[in-house]
Amino acid sequence: ETGVTQSPTHLIKTRGQQVTLRCSSQSGHNTVSWYQQALGQGPQFIFQYYREEENGRGNFPPRFSGLQFPNYSSELNVNALELDDSALYLCASSLQVPGSGELFFGEGSRLTVL
Amino acid sequence: RKEVEQDPGPFNVPEGATVAFNCTYSNSASQSFFWYRQDCRKEPKLLMSVYSSGNEDGRFTAQLNRASQYISLLIRDSKLSDSATYLCVVRGGSYIPTFGRGTSLIVHP
Repeated sequence: ETGVTQSPTHLIKTRGQQVTLRCSSQSGHNTVSWYQQALGQGPQFIFQYYREEENGRGNFPPRFSGLQFPNYSSELNVNALELDDSALYLCASSLQVPGSGELFFGEGSRLTVL
Repeated sequence: RKEVEQDPGPFNVPEGATVAFNCTYSNSASQSFFWYRQDCRKEPKLLMSVYSSGNEDGRFTAQLNRASQYISLLIRDSKLSDSATYLCVVRGGSYIPTFGRGTSLIVHP
């Protein structure tokens, strides 16, 4: 049991719509990161939040945005959905300590865009 | 060139076999290295960190070669339950992780 929970687990949207995905971090973790995993690919880093500030971003357009709250939970928002946004979205929490690396993942939110 | 490259496989091996995966990375400033395991339609989970001196955890051995910029994972005495996708993960000083696409392992009876 990792302690990281994500919601919703599955959802279907249509092109142009907006979606919000939620993540509750493992207790004691101050960093949350989000990933997009397409079928047959590894997770692609979207962005990372440390103490409510974005401190790293991957190669994703601005319509992918996020928030981290004081309790370290987080949201991923995607605007103007495209068909290629269909993927598994994974949230991971961790402790940002030098030398530390373990990411604890939630089970993911599977998004289908029609 | 991709930042982290892995042979996607699949590697099809019989139970009891020894199998090895490699993963190459392009950023020589990378600081930490990991192998994650991902079962079908599940989330990735840490298998082991990879240390400069190499490290072993039961049937699993991980090694790092900084000069050639690759890490490896060796699995001895493969079990059916080892069937999964093995993801190589590399992190730089900013803690941002880069994943490879994963190597699929299928262990058959």
